[in-house]
Formats: sequence, C-alpha cells, structure tokens
Amino acid sequence: AQTVTQSQPEMSVQEAETVTLSCTYDTSESDYYLFWYKQPPSRQMILVIRQEAYKQQNATENRFSVNFQKAAKSFSLKISDSQLGDAAMYFCAYRKYGNKLVFGAGTILRVKS
Amino acid sequence: DTAVSQTPKYLVTQMGNDKSIKCEQNLGHDTMYWYKQDSKKFLKIMFSYNNKELIINETVPNRFSPKSPDKAHLNLHINSLELGDSAVYFCASSQDGAATPSGNTIYFGEGSWLTVV
Repeated sequence: AQTVTQSQPEMSVQEAETVTLSCTYDTSESDYYLFWYKQPPSRQMILVIRQEAYKQQNATENRFSVNFQKAAKSFSLKISDSQLGDAAMYFCAYRKYGNKLVFGAGTILRVKS
Repeated sequence: DTAVSQTPKYLVTQMGNDKSIKCEQNLGHDTMYWYKQDSKKFLKIMFSYNNKELIINETVPNRFSPKSPDKAHLNLHINSLELGDSAVYFCASSQDGAATPSGNTIYFGEGSWLTVV
C-alpha cells in the first residue's frame, strides 16, 4: 500500500522568508500524481500545487514550487516570500492514476511577523 | 460559484440520531468522493463514485451509506450516530483521464463539521 510521510509536524518561518516542507512517499508505481493542499483554520482544503510523475520539470505556482525527486520518492514544497496568509496546515498527497488520494499527516506552518 | 458545495456546514446532533450530508458539484466531473478528517486532522477516504457507481468502499461501518442520484450529487447518510463519528466530512470530485491541467486533480468542498453529543 502507498504511504505518505511528512516528518515535520510543525514549522515556523519569518514573514518574507523562504521555508521548505518535506514529504516522502512509498510506491511501486511509475505513473502517479503528487499534490500539496493547504488547510487554513476554516478547514477548507485548497489545492496549492500538483506534479505529474512523468514530468521531470518541477511544478511552480507563483511563490510555491516543488522539488520532485522521483528516484528518492521525495516531494518537498518551497514557499518563497512567506506571507501571514500562508499560515495553515499543509498536506502532501499521492494519487495513483484513477485511484484515491493518500494523505500525509500534515505539517503546521506558522508565519511570524 | 462554488465548485463543490456541501450542506450543512455545521451539524450538532445527539447520539443515536440519523443525519444526512448533501454534496453537489458543478464542475462536470465524473467521480465524487467522501473523505473523513478526524480530530487529529488525519484525512482518509470513505467512498468513491464514478458516474453513480460505487468504485471505492473503504472499511467503513454499515451505518454510513452513500447515495449518488446522478453524477453531480453524492450524499452521505449516517444511521445511529456515535460519539466517534464526530469529524469533518469532505466531499470532493475529479475528472480522471482528462489531459488538462486540472485533470486527475481532486477538488474539495468546504467540509461539514459533525459533532455528536
């Protein structure tokens, strides 16, 4: 069974600085998707970024970018120029094509002003 | 326009009651899901439907029964509610196989906070 591990229960970053959230996963599949979702206190699940495993190029969305290392099964999220609104729980998730999303345990990100 | 909408957003009810949560998506997706987020914020799938057919049924008590009247709607009915059912329930949807930037991505509703007292 696929598993997703987020080894950092909590992280802190100063406003305007950069932070990286870690994620590793375990799979025997070669074709899959990886996602980062943001969950603010409102509990809404907001898609931050997605990566297709067959693409070597790392995905970017404005201040958010990933470092996807397929051989190492690593998928970290980098947030640049951190803002107060980035404070939330961040979930890494894996999805085999056509299957369910498997989530990590989440990382709480705190942003200090 | 809300893409995936759930009602009610908040629900407080007594043990033993029966309750339903409704979900609708206007994204034209073929697949819909129910996820449960427990008190430790761990998210786990409960059910998945594709074009009204059940395709994923995780180990969930029989007291939980999903119903999909059409591919845009997926409701969750819970019988004989227990304290342990208190959680946030998320409806979600996806369009799988689509060669688009959003294809194969699962989009979530805002969640329904269920508290059983």
